[in-house]
Amino acid sequence: EIVMTQSPATLSVSPGEGATLSCRASQSVSSNLAWYQQKPGQAPRLLIYGASTRASGIPIRFSGSGSGTEFSLTISSLQSEDFAVYYCQQYNNWPPLHTFGQGTKLEIK
Amino acid sequence: EVQLLESGGGLVQPGGSLRLSCAASGFTFSNYAMNWVRQAPGKGLEWVSVIGGGGGSTYYGDSVRGRFSISRDNFKNTLYLRMNSLGAEDTAIYYCAKNQAGPLSGLDLWGQGTVVTVSS
Repeated sequence: EIVMTQSPATLSVSPGEGATLSCRASQSVSSNLAWYQQKPGQAPRLLIYGASTRASGIPIRFSGSGSGTEFSLTISSLQSEDFAVYYCQQYNNWPPLHTFGQGTKLEIK
Repeated sequence: EVQLLESGGGLVQPGGSLRLSCAASGFTFSNYAMNWVRQAPGKGLEWVSVIGGGGGSTYYGDSVRGRFSISRDNFKNTLYLRMNSLGAEDTAIYYCAKNQAGPLSGLDLWGQGTVVTVSS
C-alpha cells in the first residue's frame, strides 16, 4: 500500500502572502497525483490532477508540481476563500487502491 | 445540471447493515468509474471503494473489504454501497465521487455526502 504524507499539518499564513504545501509518497506514483480543497461543511473539490494540471474553473494562483515521490501545491497571494484543508491523493497503482494524505490545514495568521 | 446526490444514511446499530445510494445526473453515467469516499468526524478523507463504468470491476480499501459491496445501475444512473457488519469505526460522512475517466484518474465531481452513524 502506498502511504501519502503531507506536511505541515497546519500552516498559518497572512492573506496576500503565498503558501506551499508538500506531499510525499512512500513509493513512486509518477505524475498520478491530485490535490483537493475542502472547506468546513462542504465536499472536497478537485484543484489539480496529473500533479500539475488545474481542474476546470480553478484560479491560476493555484499551481502544482512534482513527480515520483515529492509533490507540492503552491497558492500565490492567498485570498480569504483559500483558507481550508488541502488533501493530496495518489491514483497510480493497479488495482486502484487510492490513498489520500492526512491533510494540511491552511489557516489565517 | 451535473450533480451527485447521496441518500440512505442514518443511525444503525453495531453489527447492522445499510445501503447507500448516489443518484447521478447531467453526464453519461456509464462512461465513468465511480467511488465512495468517507470522512469520520473531525478526520481526513478515506477512500472506500471504486467500480468501473460497466460495473464489472470493483475494488475496496482494506478496512471495508469483505464487509462492503459497491454496485451500480447504469439504467437508473445510480451508484450503491451495501454496508454489512457495521462498527463504530464506520461512522462517517460518505461521499460518492466521479472519476475523470477510468479508475486511475482524479475525482472531479462529488456529492454533498450522507451521514452514517453506528451506535447502540
